[in-house]
Amino acid sequence: QVQLQESGPGLVKPSQTLSLTCTVSGDSISNGTYHWSWIRQPAGKGLEWIGRIYTSGGVTSYNPSLKSRLSISLDTSKNQFSLKLTSATAADTAVYFCARFSRVDVPAVYWYFDLWGRGTLVTVSS
Amino acid sequence: QSVLTQPPSVSGAPGQRVTISCTGSSSNIGAGADVFWYRQFPGKAPKLLMFDDNNRPSGVPDRFSVSKSGTSASLAITGLQAEDEADYYCQTYDRTVSGTVFGGGTRLTVL
Repeated sequence: QVQLQESGPGLVKPSQTLSLTCTVSGDSISNGTYHWSWIRQPAGKGLEWIGRIYTSGGVTSYNPSLKSRLSISLDTSKNQFSLKLTSATAADTAVYFCARFSRVDVPAVYWYFDLWGRGTLVTVSS
Repeated sequence: QSVLTQPPSVSGAPGQRVTISCTGSSSNIGAGADVFWYRQFPGKAPKLLMFDDNNRPSGVPDRFSVSKSGTSASLAITGLQAEDEADYYCQTYDRTVSGTVFGGGTRLTVL
C-alpha cells in the first residue's frame, strides 16, 4: 500500500532554513490527481496546515501566515516532495507531517487527507 | 489561534453521549464548505473519522455522527467506550486562507 515517510534534520538553528522531504512509496507520486501536503503540530497543540503542491502542473498553495518563508516542491524522479521554510524561529518547532489530499467520489465528492506520514519532530534551537 | 474553534476538552462516562463543537465563520463552514473530523491517538498521525453529511468511512461505527448548522458543526459520540479517548479535530476549507484550516482540537477523556 502507499506510504509516506518524512525525513530531514531534527534540529535547526534559528534563522536557518528548515528543510524536510516526504518520500512516497508503493505508487508513483505522479499517478492520480493529488495534492501533496505538509501539516505541523507544535507539542501539545493543534494541527496547522502549511501548504500543498498539486500533482498536475506542480501548482502550490500556501498558508498565508507562512507564505513569505515557504517553498514546497515536487521531485517526481525521486518520488518525493519537499518543504523549505526559511528564517526558522522557535515558533516553528513542531512535529511535521506530510499527507496526501485526495478526492473520493463515493459516498460523495470530497477532498480530504487520506494518507499521513508518521511525523517528524523538528526543533529550532541554538 | 485556530480559525475553527473547538472546546479544549470534553469528558464522559462509558456508555454516555458526548458532543464536540466546531465553530467557524462565513468564510468556511458558513460558506457551505465540507467539514471533516479526524481522530488522533497520542504519538500517531490523525486519521479521518467522519466525512461531511454524516457519511462514515469504512469501518467507522454508527456511534459516531456529525451535523452542521450555520457556521458550526458538531461531532457526536454515543455509547462512549474507553478506546474513544483521543484528540478530535475538525477540518474544512476557508476562502480567506484559500486553503485548509483545522480546529484547535478537543481532548476526549472517558471517565
